[in-house]
This record gives sequence, structure tokens and C-alpha cells, in this order.
Amino acid sequence: AQTVTQSQPEMSVQEAETVTLSCTYDTSESNYYLFWYKQPPSRQMILVIRQEAYKQQNATENRFSVNFQKAAKSFSLKISDSQLGDTAMYFCAFMSAHNTDKLIFGTGTRLQVFP
Amino acid sequence: NAGVMQNPRHLVRRRGQEARLRCSPMKGHSHVYWYRQLPEEGLKFMVYLQKENIIDESGMPKERFSAEFPKEGPSILRIQQVVRGDSAAYFCASSSGTSDHEQFFGPGTRLTVL
Repeated sequence: AQTVTQSQPEMSVQEAETVTLSCTYDTSESNYYLFWYKQPPSRQMILVIRQEAYKQQNATENRFSVNFQKAAKSFSLKISDSQLGDTAMYFCAFMSAHNTDKLIFGTGTRLQVFP
Repeated sequence: NAGVMQNPRHLVRRRGQEARLRCSPMKGHSHVYWYRQLPEEGLKFMVYLQKENIIDESGMPKERFSAEFPKEGPSILRIQQVVRGDSAAYFCASSSGTSDHEQFFGPGTRLTVL
């Protein structure tokens, strides 16, 4: 069974600085999708960024980028120029290309951005 | 273009009562997913439905929980004879079923069982 591990329960960063959130996963499949979701205090789940495993190029969305290391099964999220509005829980998630029924989530990292 | 709608946002039930959670997918989406988030945990998949069909209910408890997505109307997650351990946030997501596989989430229903 696939698993997703986020080993950092909490992180903090000063405004305008850069922070990296870690995520590792376990799968025997070669084709899959990886996602980072943000859950602010409102609890709404917001997609931040996604990566297809068959793409070697790391995904980027404005201040958010990923470091996808397929061999190491690692999928970290880098937030540049952190803003107060980035304060939230961040969840890493896996989806098998053979079973797109479900997202498998990690336990989350609580990020606090300080002024 | 309204997003995924869930109601109620907050639901309080006493032990033994029934809870009904509703989810209206985004316009044009025919795939609905339900997830449960226990306090301080990530979301856990419960069930995946398409119109009038349950496709995957591997994450759904075998007893007391049921889900439906009728031809007309919202998807319903029903929990019968609720217990304190059912207290959680229940999220619904929808997708169009296209190749990008993106799931759009609703705001969730927070169920509290007294």
C-alpha cells in the first residue's frame, strides 16, 4: 500500500524568507501524481501545486516550487518570499495513475509565518 | 461558477442520532469523493461515487456509514447511530474525470457528537 510521510509536524519562517517542507512517499508504481494542498484556518483545502511522476521537470507555481526526486521518493515544497497569508497546514498527497479514485495524504506540516 | 458546496458547515448530534452531510459538486463534475479528517490528522479517503454508482468504498466503515449520489440532487453521506469517535471534519471533493485528475474540495462539514 502507498504511504505518505511528512516528518515535520511544525515549521516556522520569517516573512520574506524561504522555507522547505519535506515529504516522502512509498510506492512500487512508476506512474503517479503528487500534490501539495494548503489548509488555512478556514479549513478549506486549496491545491498549491501538482507534479506528474513521468515529468522530470520540477513544477513551479509563482512562489511555490517542488523538488521532485523520483529515485529517492521525495517531493519537497519550497515557498519563496514567504507571506503572512502562507500560514496554514500543508498536506502532501499521492495519487496512483492506476487508481485515480483517491488521494492519499500525509499527516501535514503546520507552517507559521512570522512578521 | 460556484465551487463545491457542502452543508451544513457545522453539525451537532447526540450519540445514537443520525447525521446527514450533503455535497453539491462543481458544475459539470460527475465524480464525487468523501474524505474524513480526524483532529490533528490528514484527510483519509472514504468513498468515491459517480452518478447513481458507488465506485470505490474501500475507506468507508462497514457499519453505520453509507453514501449515495443520486441522478438528481447532491451526494449524501449518512452516518447512523453516531458515536463520539465520528466527530471529525468531513470533506467532499469533485472532479470532471479528465486526465488531470484534480479534485476540488468543498469547505467541509464539522461534525460534533455529544
